[in-house]
Amino acid sequence: EPEVTQTPSHQVTQMGQEVILRCVPISNHLYFYWYRQILGQKVEFLVSFYNNEISEKSEIFDDQFSVERPDGSNFTLKIRSTKLEDSAMYFCASVRRNSNQPQHFGDGTRLSIL
Amino acid sequence: GQQLNQSPQSMFIQEGEDVSMNCTSSSIFNTWLWYKQDPGEGPVLLIALYKAGELTSNGRLTAQFGITRKDSFLNISASIPSDVGIYFCAGPIIQGAQKLVFGQGTRLTINP
Repeated sequence: EPEVTQTPSHQVTQMGQEVILRCVPISNHLYFYWYRQILGQKVEFLVSFYNNEISEKSEIFDDQFSVERPDGSNFTLKIRSTKLEDSAMYFCASVRRNSNQPQHFGDGTRLSIL
Repeated sequence: GQQLNQSPQSMFIQEGEDVSMNCTSSSIFNTWLWYKQDPGEGPVLLIALYKAGELTSNGRLTAQFGITRKDSFLNISASIPSDVGIYFCAGPIIQGAQKLVFGQGTRLTINP
C-alpha cells in the first residue's frame, strides 16, 4: 500500500538555524498537509496546500514557516529561524480529494531545537 | 474553533479486557475518524465513519458515529499487548481544503 514518507526521522538543530523537513506524499494525492504534535499533546493542524498554493494555515504557521512543492513529488516545510518551542513531531499528510476521505500520515520528523 | 474532547485520557487494563473510549464535540461533524499512534510513529487510520448512527467494525475494533453527529465511541474487545498506544479521534473541517481536528487522545496501557 502506498505510504507518505518523511525525512529525516529526527532532526537536531541549534536555535536560530533554518530547518527543512521533507515529505513525499502518496503519488496520486492532490492535497497536502503539515501537522505538529508537541510531546504529550494532541496533533495540531499547521497548513494545507493544494494546486501549488497554501489553502489554509493556522495561527501557529507564522512568518517563520513556509511550504513548498519544489518538484512533482516532494513537499517541504521550512522553519526559517527555529525557536525552542518549535521542538515537536511534525507530520505530513495527504489525501486524494477534498472530501471526507481520511488523510494518510507519514511517520513524522522529530525536531529537537537546542 | 471546533474541538474534540476525548475520555478517558488514559486507561490501564489487563490483557483480555474490553476497552471503551469516546469522543465528543460541541459542533457537528459529518465524518468521524479513529487513529492509533504508536511511539515514534504517525497516526494510522483504524476506522472511518461517514453516516450518523453508523456502526463499523475492523477486527476487534468497533466504532459508532453518534446520531447527533456530535460524538463517537471506539470499543476494543479482548485486548492484546499490541493494542497499547494512543488513540485519537479526529474530524475533518472542510472549508477550502480539508483539515483535521484531533482530540487529546486516550493512552492505553495493558498489563500482561
